[in-house]
Amino acid sequence: SAVISQKPSRDICQRGTSLTIQCQVDSQVTMMFWYRQQPGQSLTLIATANQGSEATYESGFVIDKFPISRPNLTFSTLTVSNMSPEDSSIYLCSVEVSGSETGELFFGEGSRLTVL
Amino acid sequence: ILNVEQSPQSLHVQEGDSTNFTCSFPSSNFYALHWYRWETAKSPEALFVMTLNGDEKKKGRISATLNTKEGYSYLYIKGSQPEDSATYLCAIYSNYQLIWGAGTKLIIKP
Repeated sequence: SAVISQKPSRDICQRGTSLTIQCQVDSQVTMMFWYRQQPGQSLTLIATANQGSEATYESGFVIDKFPISRPNLTFSTLTVSNMSPEDSSIYLCSVEVSGSETGELFFGEGSRLTVL
Repeated sequence: ILNVEQSPQSLHVQEGDSTNFTCSFPSSNFYALHWYRWETAKSPEALFVMTLNGDEKKKGRISATLNTKEGYSYLYIKGSQPEDSATYLCAIYSNYQLIWGAGTKLIIKP
């Protein structure tokens, strides 16, 4: 199993500001995934963070809005830039279960962002 | 675009009662189905991963079934307890990606 720590666990932010979410894993992993869940919506993959290369973004998400860092095999950050109320969501960091052939994930506890 | 539907969106159940909810998905390109439990302020936690049509899995009072031909899975909770209160997420693994439903929020009334 993997233990994933995220911070902050929650924050209230002003429109137009940026916030960086940190994700720390207790073991080395190749890929880390950033998800968000907007109220009443499905979990949506934002991007996949690979160590040593640029993150791979899903359709509808861009690096300018959600810059990601992946400085080593146990840590990643996601920044939500120039926030608007539509960015109010739970942001989750996750990693794939080692050896899984079915995409099973471990998750952090999430970062609940409210943008005013 | 694959769509995973969960119903109901939310559910209130009296403590001690049994309950079930549904995950529907397109049956083409199916590889696996996941159920996760997500308690407030905690990490989503994997309950079951199922791959074969007719699969049934059980963990304590919780069980799940899978019908890949008609594209649905049921999650059953027997004798609901307050600690079962959570959002239950379903996802299918298809073409090397997870597609998530919006979840069923279960509230157990003492």
